[in-house]
Amino acid sequence: DQQVKQNSPSLSVQEGRISILNCDYTNSMFDYFLWYKKYPAEGPTFLISISSIKDKNEDGRFTVFLNKSAKHLSLHIVPSQPGDSAVYFCAARGTGANSKLTFGKGITLSVRP
Amino acid sequence: KAGVTQTPRYLIKTRGQQVTLSCSPISGHRSVSWYQQTPGQGLQFLFEYFSETQRNKGNFPGRFSGRQFSNSRSEMNVSTLELGDSALYLCASSLLGQGLNTEAFFGQGTRLTVV
Repeated sequence: DQQVKQNSPSLSVQEGRISILNCDYTNSMFDYFLWYKKYPAEGPTFLISISSIKDKNEDGRFTVFLNKSAKHLSLHIVPSQPGDSAVYFCAARGTGANSKLTFGKGITLSVRP
Repeated sequence: KAGVTQTPRYLIKTRGQQVTLSCSPISGHRSVSWYQQTPGQGLQFLFEYFSETQRNKGNFPGRFSGRQFSNSRSEMNVSTLELGDSALYLCASSLLGQGLNTEAFFGQGTRLTVV
């Protein structure tokens, strides 16, 4: 049972444009959400997070939006740069039995120069 | 400040053997989690240790086990290796453990190949 879903396996955007990466979750007990970026042969690197008490969190070029009623979050990267090309994982967790980080399968972002 | 260190980086084993992977968390971090990454499957949670106690466990067979030492270093063991165990094994450490709003920092992983 995939509790965190990243339904699009890949995304290609032009340098300078906006990248929008989507993520859906099914477990209503999740209350903290994170995005990680991963290059080949490296471990995932934390990008940005959001608590369920917020609907938006911004850090430089990265903004995460959370829609709790739709159980949907998205990561916006503006402007996109070629160095952003990587695999992006959405992750979520709650408390107690749901406290482990549950990851989506990832989406491969390619930013074309 | 040193990051999460995993050893070895690469490993080749034959079916039926057992393997031990090591993870040294960031200094001061008490929580260590292990994940398996295979193509198309994302990161699958194996287990989490906090203060030498297993606090959470994923849906993996008993051949997968782990432990944490008093200095927070952790080891993961896989016995009776199968071809399907070939994967990138990632370790993540966090300051206060999962369930609190702190991010997890990952090591570079150990690439295990079972032949």
